[in-house]
Amino acid sequence: ETGVTQSPTHLIKTRGQQVTLRCSSQSGHNTVSWYQQALGQGPQFIFQYYREEENGRGNFPPRFSGLQFPNYSSELNVNALELDDSALYLCASSPGGSSGADTQYFGPGTRLTVL
Amino acid sequence: AQRVTQPEKLLSVFKGAPVELKCNYSYSGSPELFWYVQYSRQRLQLLLRHISRESIKGFTADLNKGETSFHLKKPFAQEEDSAMYYCALRSIQGAQKLVFGQGTRLTINP
Repeated sequence: ETGVTQSPTHLIKTRGQQVTLRCSSQSGHNTVSWYQQALGQGPQFIFQYYREEENGRGNFPPRFSGLQFPNYSSELNVNALELDDSALYLCASSPGGSSGADTQYFGPGTRLTVL
Repeated sequence: AQRVTQPEKLLSVFKGAPVELKCNYSYSGSPELFWYVQYSRQRLQLLLRHISRESIKGFTADLNKGETSFHLKKPFAQEEDSAMYYCALRSIQGAQKLVFGQGTRLTINP
């Protein structure tokens, strides 16, 4: 069984740029959630995708957007980067159901630094 | 509003001593409560969830709805328990997001 993978591991961008982060869900999982973890804080929910549709969104502006593909992998896109976007971005997959009511399995994260 | 509070950012105990990591939550309804753990250089992983009422690695947690708490306990700490611990809640209705506390860094001293 392959776990959740994320790429890239680290990324450095400058203010105003755009970034795309990628996540491959665990085998057999069709639900993907994205979280932002700022330094010293717990993860904060960005949004969730189930079968290519957004299934819930946290308190993040529209410049945070996502996609889920037919193979259930996912992308997180952030436009017009701000310094406060510097954080660890976590992807989590779960076995499924639009309720997302199963255990979420986390990837190792992508560390984004905005200069 | 959904909120999870972990009042201790750092907790240090000696090996063999009891451990209690505190977690309080705010939620108008019946949430599902979890403890996640992150060991050094490893990813975040589920430790236990209240509905399964299991004991994992000697840890237990009881949901106290009256006190809105879900404290994590272990009677005898081991050095390998040193890690970052996060309490989280999930609504059983609507968007199935996890709401995390700030985390408690547990250090077990030899």
